[in-house]
Amino acid sequence: LAKTTQPISMDSYEGQEVNITCSHNNIATNDYITWYQQFPSQGPRFIIQGYKTKVTNEVASLFIPADRKSSTLSLPRVSLSDTAVYYCLVGVLLFNKFYFGSGTKLNVKP
Amino acid sequence: EPEVTQTPSHQVTQMGQEVILRCVPISNHLYFYWYRQILGQKVEFLVSFYNNEISEKSEIFDDQFSVERPDGSNFTLKIRSTKLEDSAMYFCASKGGDTQYFGPGTRLTVL
Repeated sequence: LAKTTQPISMDSYEGQEVNITCSHNNIATNDYITWYQQFPSQGPRFIIQGYKTKVTNEVASLFIPADRKSSTLSLPRVSLSDTAVYYCLVGVLLFNKFYFGSGTKLNVKP
Repeated sequence: EPEVTQTPSHQVTQMGQEVILRCVPISNHLYFYWYRQILGQKVEFLVSFYNNEISEKSEIFDDQFSVERPDGSNFTLKIRSTKLEDSAMYFCASKGGDTQYFGPGTRLTVL
């Protein structure tokens, strides 16, 4: 499975756009990219998933360049409640087991 | 929106005791998983289950662990003889299409 590298932590302020980039240099052809959010003592919550180019849903956007060796999660106008750990995972969708890295701890300040 | 549910939310047990953690996956999902997260550490894959059998398991999932789908709705993780180091959050997940959805977790405390 492709190993991912993310910044350990990021700080932001309420109302700002936050971009978290993940590197996955060894991503395989069949791998998808999935992002999860986790609050303390809660289960990871699915945010967004994509294979290439750009994916957008009601909470985030995911940008994937043509070489797919990295991806960027974009959170528009964050609020205090977005303070959490964000995980980038790559894997084949069928039978996929996720190997979680350390994630990025996002701290949103007022 | 359908959710994965887990019971109990918190389980306290004595070392050497057996525990069963229960999960109700999202209905019509076919793939089921257990993960654990020791306090302050990352989420670790334990086992995946499909078509009533284990698909994959990690090195953590030794003979002390077992999984079962006893009926059409529940998915259980049994730890036969708990150790202090089994203390962790245990997350169940299920997948029907392309996405794994996680439950809220069971906090297991082994004394």
